[in-house]
Amino acid sequence: GENVGLHLPTLSVQEGDNSIINCAYSNSASDYFIWYKQESGKGPQFIIDIRSNMDKRQGQRVTVLLNKTVKHLSLQIAATQPGDSAVYFCAENIMEYGNKLVFGAGTILRVKS
Amino acid sequence: NAGVMQNPRHLVRRRGQEARLRCSPMKGHSHVYWYRQLPEEGLKFMVYLQKENIIDESGMPKERFSAEFPKEGPSILRIQQVVRGDSAAYFCASSPGRGNSGYTFGSGTRLTVV
Repeated sequence: GENVGLHLPTLSVQEGDNSIINCAYSNSASDYFIWYKQESGKGPQFIIDIRSNMDKRQGQRVTVLLNKTVKHLSLQIAATQPGDSAVYFCAENIMEYGNKLVFGAGTILRVKS
Repeated sequence: NAGVMQNPRHLVRRRGQEARLRCSPMKGHSHVYWYRQLPEEGLKFMVYLQKENIIDESGMPKERFSAEFPKEGPSILRIQQVVRGDSAAYFCASSPGRGNSGYTFGSGTRLTVV
């Protein structure tokens, strides 16, 4: 979907707590999803991905959950650290149509020490 | 193994000038993508290129914007007669093939039009 120029939602968590960042994606035909982390002044950094034939995938300290019924994606970060502070974006793709990614609006994660 | 290299990191242009943004993909990557990011927004796809070919330019404005990825050298995103609304961060990504595996972004070029 299209992004609008609104202030990004912010999630503030205490260091050591778990974080859950949510994303509603736009296209029911999308079959590949990626979470990116973007720190100030830097490009997006890959965190974890998931294909539409899965509903959960785990990485190191991160888990992505996919609910295709309601077109919802979430990123869970365990034991959040100050270095996790950044803007987090989900991106969707229809693999058959090539490599164009459609990004969500983003969520700011602030970790309080 | 250097990542995706973009230059310049910052570019200031007066209205009406031309902006040329360069992107060197990761070694072994033959697919390049350009995205634009406005403040507090997600990245928006502009164009997808392979060597000497434009594969998908559905996100490119119809006028003033062009992109190329020549046989030799970096990919170039060119903006002619820049306007204030062109001010944004422009990111390049590359991948080794058509699939999404290994899709890697550069650090971006921040264009400011004054």
